[in-house]
Amino acid sequence: GAGVSQSPSNKVTEKGKDVELRCDPISGHTALYWYRQSLGQGLEFLIYFQGNSAPDKSGLPSDRFSAERTGGSVSTLTIQRTQQEDSAVYLCASSPRLAGGETQYFGPGTRLLVL
Amino acid sequence: AQSVAQPEDQVNVAEGNPLTVKCTYSVSGNPYLFWYVQYPNRGLQFLLKYITGDNLVKGSYGFEAEFNKSQTSFHLKKPSALVSDSALYFCAVKGTSGTYKYIFGTGTRLKVLA
Repeated sequence: GAGVSQSPSNKVTEKGKDVELRCDPISGHTALYWYRQSLGQGLEFLIYFQGNSAPDKSGLPSDRFSAERTGGSVSTLTIQRTQQEDSAVYLCASSPRLAGGETQYFGPGTRLLVL
Repeated sequence: AQSVAQPEDQVNVAEGNPLTVKCTYSVSGNPYLFWYVQYPNRGLQFLLKYITGDNLVKGSYGFEAEFNKSQTSFHLKKPSALVSDSALYFCAVKGTSGTYKYIFGTGTRLKVLA
């Protein structure tokens, strides 16, 4: 079946502009995670969603970052007033549920470059 | 707080030799432990995980990992390395209480030399 998809695959923007990154999880997966991977760094947790429960936003680095998940499926990560330090690969992952030792399935990522 | 350490930024090994990529963790309660691999310009792919039971876990592409509770380690191993194993490897931990976050290590770049 189809895996996790993300769009766009690459995004170049100017400092100060807003960007939206999209994630389509695997059908039926109720848990969805966003991560940021900076050059030479590991994966930094940003946010997770589980069904209709309140998301855990504790990893969002500033109030310029926000995320939504509509209808329990597609998610959008929005970065307002982008800064050069926001340049990174943004990865989305989904899993069947939040609890337990579920495997996360990752999308290919969106590579964001802020000039 | 949960944490994962991958002490080696890079591991070099000759093709055909055994390889080990190290991972240690800290978590409240019993851990769920994972290894993922990232090939150039591609997303992370799941290799294997430890949930419970047998401490030796076997995964994709001939990889295995051993859960050692006393040493809080989950080292990734393969008996005979291939050039195609060259990639970036991430260890991750998820606790069984208090949070649903997965915490990832900083990654270890494996280079298998022909």
